[in-house]
Amino acid sequence: DTGVSQDPRHKITKRGQNVTFRCDPISEHNRLYWYRQTLGQGPEFLTYFQNEAQLEKSRLLSDRFSAERPKGSFSTLEIQRTEQGDSAMYLCASSFLRDWISPLHFGNGTRLTVT
Amino acid sequence: GQQLNQSPQSMFIQEGEDVSMNCTSSSIFNTWLWYKQDPGEGPVLLIALYKAGELTSNGRLTAQFGITRKDSFLNISASIPSDVGIYFCAGQYRVNSGNTPLVFGKGTRLSVIA
Repeated sequence: DTGVSQDPRHKITKRGQNVTFRCDPISEHNRLYWYRQTLGQGPEFLTYFQNEAQLEKSRLLSDRFSAERPKGSFSTLEIQRTEQGDSAMYLCASSFLRDWISPLHFGNGTRLTVT
Repeated sequence: GQQLNQSPQSMFIQEGEDVSMNCTSSSIFNTWLWYKQDPGEGPVLLIALYKAGELTSNGRLTAQFGITRKDSFLNISASIPSDVGIYFCAGQYRVNSGNTPLVFGKGTRLSVIA
């Protein structure tokens, strides 16, 4: 399977704990995106990387959230001091920027439940 | 910021019927994309549109990029049970550094009655 891979698929944590998610993009893709999706909504943009550089962060990405892509390949998204409002599906997507055309390909997400 | 209005929110149709859904934006987009999401999975790209007026098909699916660049529609012909799911439209701008992040609609939930 050469698609976008996310781990874990599900995470249940208690409020106040830290969690970290991993995303492995499609290997030749140079852009990696994190989105958050809550029930009944479309995905909402959080942040994206081109290679190892984090180029844009949404206002949704509070200071408790941090994302890294240290070698321009896989990425991690960490949430510190989780709150119940952080419960959502966290989606990773990747694309290859070429000639302005770069449709996103999504992984199956990590569903976070904060109790 | 950009907002996408997707309609209808949900549809119940008989197997074999045609389906039409659309998306409008408060801003002009350079790219329109349509995705389908099944429960517990990530969105899967169905069709990508890059030029105003463009009409593109993918099997029984047909999508068009509106000439005003503020709307798009998706048609599904002869629906089958596996068409069940949530369909999202998404749009993006083109800027010097590439494309802006995708903005998504809230989805159209499609149910097919056999």
